[in-house]
Amino acid sequence: AQTVTQSQPEMSVQEAETVTLSCTYDTSESDYYLFWYKQPPSRQMILVIRQEAYKQQNATENRFSVNFQKAAKSFSLKISDSQLGDAAMYFCAYRSPRGINNNDMRFGAGTRLTVKP
Amino acid sequence: EAQVTQNPRYLITVTGKKLTVTCSQNMNHEYMSWYRQDPGLGLRQIYYSMNVEVTDKGDVPEGYKVSRKEKRNFPLILESPSPNQTSLYFCASSPSGNNYGYTFGSGTRLTVV
Repeated sequence: AQTVTQSQPEMSVQEAETVTLSCTYDTSESDYYLFWYKQPPSRQMILVIRQEAYKQQNATENRFSVNFQKAAKSFSLKISDSQLGDAAMYFCAYRSPRGINNNDMRFGAGTRLTVKP
Repeated sequence: EAQVTQNPRYLITVTGKKLTVTCSQNMNHEYMSWYRQDPGLGLRQIYYSMNVEVTDKGDVPEGYKVSRKEKRNFPLILESPSPNQTSLYFCASSPSGNNYGYTFGSGTRLTVV
């Protein structure tokens, strides 16, 4: 079964600086999808960015970008020009392409990001 | 507004008293799913459904039931809740084609005493 590991329970960053959140995963599949979700104190789950494994180009959404290393099974999230509103829990997620046999979307344990003014 | 609606937002109940958490989506999505969130464990999938009358177990299905009789609704049933089911629960939906992420409801904080 696929597993998703976020090795940093907590991170902090100074406002306007850049921070990178780490995520690794384990899978035997060659085609899959990866996601980063943000959960602010309101507890709403917000999709930040997604990456398709067959695409070599790293996804980018405004100040958020990923570093996808398929061979290393690594999927880190970079937040540039950090803002106070970026403070949240961030979850990395893996989604299997077929969604059968206990195989849909799995999440990591999360990284709590603090932004210091 | 496109959304996933789950109710109630907060629920306190006693051990053994059957309860249902409702979930509805208005986006005509094929996939629906239930997760529970616990500190240090992230979100763990309980059950998911790929379409009407098609469901499959996630990673932590014990103690839960689901049904998908209509495309828009996917209730979560706890027939005999226990304190270890105290958690934050999320319902979510997505189109078919797993390149999409899930759209989540606002969560249900369940406490079983």
